[in-house]
Amino acid sequence: SQQGEEDPQALSIQEGENATMNCSYKTSINNLQWYRQNSGRGLVHLILIRSNEREKHSGRLRVTLDTSKKSSSLLITASRAADTASYFCATATTGANSKLTFGKGITLSVRP
Amino acid sequence: DGGITQSPKYLFRKEGQNVTLSCEQNLNHDAMYWYRQDPGQGLRLIYYSQIVNDFQKGDIAEGYSVSREKKESFPLTVTSAQKNPTAFYLCASRASGTGEQFFGPGTRLTVL
Repeated sequence: SQQGEEDPQALSIQEGENATMNCSYKTSINNLQWYRQNSGRGLVHLILIRSNEREKHSGRLRVTLDTSKKSSSLLITASRAADTASYFCATATTGANSKLTFGKGITLSVRP
Repeated sequence: DGGITQSPKYLFRKEGQNVTLSCEQNLNHDAMYWYRQDPGQGLRLIYYSQIVNDFQKGDIAEGYSVSREKKESFPLTVTSAQKNPTAFYLCASRASGTGEQFFGPGTRLTVL
């Protein structure tokens, strides 16, 4: 079963607006990561937030993590048409054989 | 030019045939992963390897096999026992002690 569940499934916004995507998970994690995928391509890592962190920034990206609610959000500010892609959250569990479990993804469309 | 490569980009197979997908990395990463992605879905883990000559089953290993004879290479064989092999296959690698995974461009397998 998939650990992360993203919300909404699809999001369409105008260029310049902010995009907020949410992810919920079920079990304890070591870290949570967000990835981006352009159509037909491999995934690109965007940002990693550890279980003891609450907020992290990278350029126009802001990620928050609430371990009490088992949820995370990804905010893309001042969106651009080039941000159009699918976005996935992935959780890494604790333990020596830590592996990532991905959600089904959010399709973001940014209209020029 | 460091990175992770997958070949071929597109692969067609007749029912009942085994096929091997290539994954090579020159990032000197210890861990490597194989995922399957179906349309509109997230990634599901097939097999992973934390170190050379060792690998573990992921969530959907049935009908697949792997080997890890060299650090740089982690080929995936899709056997005739895999009932529904048509999918997009993604390989990834990760450096020890880090969480971020680096993805290849993917191989789209179609069974005719």
